[in-house]
Amino acid sequence: DQQVKQNSPSLSVQEGRISILNCDYTNSMFDYFLWYKKYPAEGPTFLISISSIKDKNEDGRFTVFLNKSAKHLSLHIVPSQPGDSAVYFCAASSYTGTASKLTFGTGTRLQVTL
Amino acid sequence: DTAVSQTPKYLVTQMGNDKSIKCEQNLGHDTMYWYKQDSKKFLKIMFSYNNKELIINETVPNRFSPKSPDKAHLNLHINSLELGDSAVYFCASSQTGVAFFGQGTRLTVV
Repeated sequence: DQQVKQNSPSLSVQEGRISILNCDYTNSMFDYFLWYKKYPAEGPTFLISISSIKDKNEDGRFTVFLNKSAKHLSLHIVPSQPGDSAVYFCAASSYTGTASKLTFGTGTRLQVTL
Repeated sequence: DTAVSQTPKYLVTQMGNDKSIKCEQNLGHDTMYWYKQDSKKFLKIMFSYNNKELIINETVPNRFSPKSPDKAHLNLHINSLELGDSAVYFCASSQTGVAFFGQGTRLTVV
């Protein structure tokens, strides 16, 4: 039962254009959402997050949008750069009482072309 | 100065062997995790420890035993390794909901 889904396994975007990565979730108990970036042979690196009480969070070129009613979030990268080429994981957090637990999507491979 | 470090980075071993993966974090976080990324690239939580206490155990076989000697360390010991245990194992730590990951250990069981 996959509670966090990234339906696009890959995305190719030209340098300078906008990259939009999408993520859907099913569990309404998730209260915090994160995006991670992963290069080959490295661990996931935290990129940006958003609380369930917000609908937008921006950090430089990266903006995350949350639509709670649709259980959908997206990551916008503007402008896209070749160094952004990586696998992007969406994650949703639920709190167990003493620790939070992240549930990940399967990732979207972004390729930014020149 | 690496925040979450795990060793070894690569581990190749035969079926039936016992192996350990070590993890250390210097972020001062109370919570540490083990995640597994399987061949389908699914990243799934295995265990979570908070201040040396087991908090989350996600139906992982008993052959997997985490040990936390102190809150900066969380090791993973695997007994009687099976082919299906081949995966990348990531250690992570967090304090405020954002998890910081180590570089991963690619375990190959032959």
